[in-house]
Amino acid sequence: QKEVEQDPGPLSVPEGAIVSLNCTYSNSAFQYFMWYRQYSRKGPELLMYTYSSGNKEDGRFTAQVDKSSKYISLFIRDSQPSDSATYLCAMNTGFQKLVFGTGTRLLVSP
Amino acid sequence: DTGVSQNPRHKITKRGQNVTFRCDPISEHNRLYWYRQTLGQGPEFLTYFQNEAQLEKSRLLSDRFSAERPKGSFSTLEIQRTEQGDSAMYLCASRDGGANEQFFGPGTRLTVL
Repeated sequence: QKEVEQDPGPLSVPEGAIVSLNCTYSNSAFQYFMWYRQYSRKGPELLMYTYSSGNKEDGRFTAQVDKSSKYISLFIRDSQPSDSATYLCAMNTGFQKLVFGTGTRLLVSP
Repeated sequence: DTGVSQNPRHKITKRGQNVTFRCDPISEHNRLYWYRQTLGQGPEFLTYFQNEAQLEKSRLLSDRFSAERPKGSFSTLEIQRTEQGDSAMYLCASRDGGANEQFFGPGTRLTVL
């Protein structure tokens, strides 16, 4: 069993929809949680960074962490075709290597 | 402002050849990571440098792989006697010593024929 599980998708939504992306993890020592966006054949781009449980909002993006359930989410409001990419969750215990999910491919149609 | 850069961006080689990739981290970032990403998977950790010291290596890093960061700035990753299974995207990331966020380069895509 992988330490971090993520549905690979693809997830197809119409423009303007609210998107929910999720990951579960098994290592209770993880404290820091990140979401990266990766366009095809490009490197991952850091979108959101959170510590421990709670919510963090940045523009159209909201990251949620529920450590009691070992479950993290990324919400995208008013999704745009330019949001079409693979979204990777990543986490670590702090100042260490990142452990990634497989990534969820998101397709936003105009 | 320059981010993490990697060269070459693409490399096609024949099985059995040696290849070397270069990573230039964000200036003043003294932590540097190498990851490997295969199609449909998330990046997997390979190795980690703090300045010029290689502090951690994954068991994914077989003896055909070697990484260096001789002056604590750029890093190189060499693969000897490449195999088709080495075909992947090789990603480099760096971070500041006082921060946890890692910033990735564009990657080097390796194809072994």
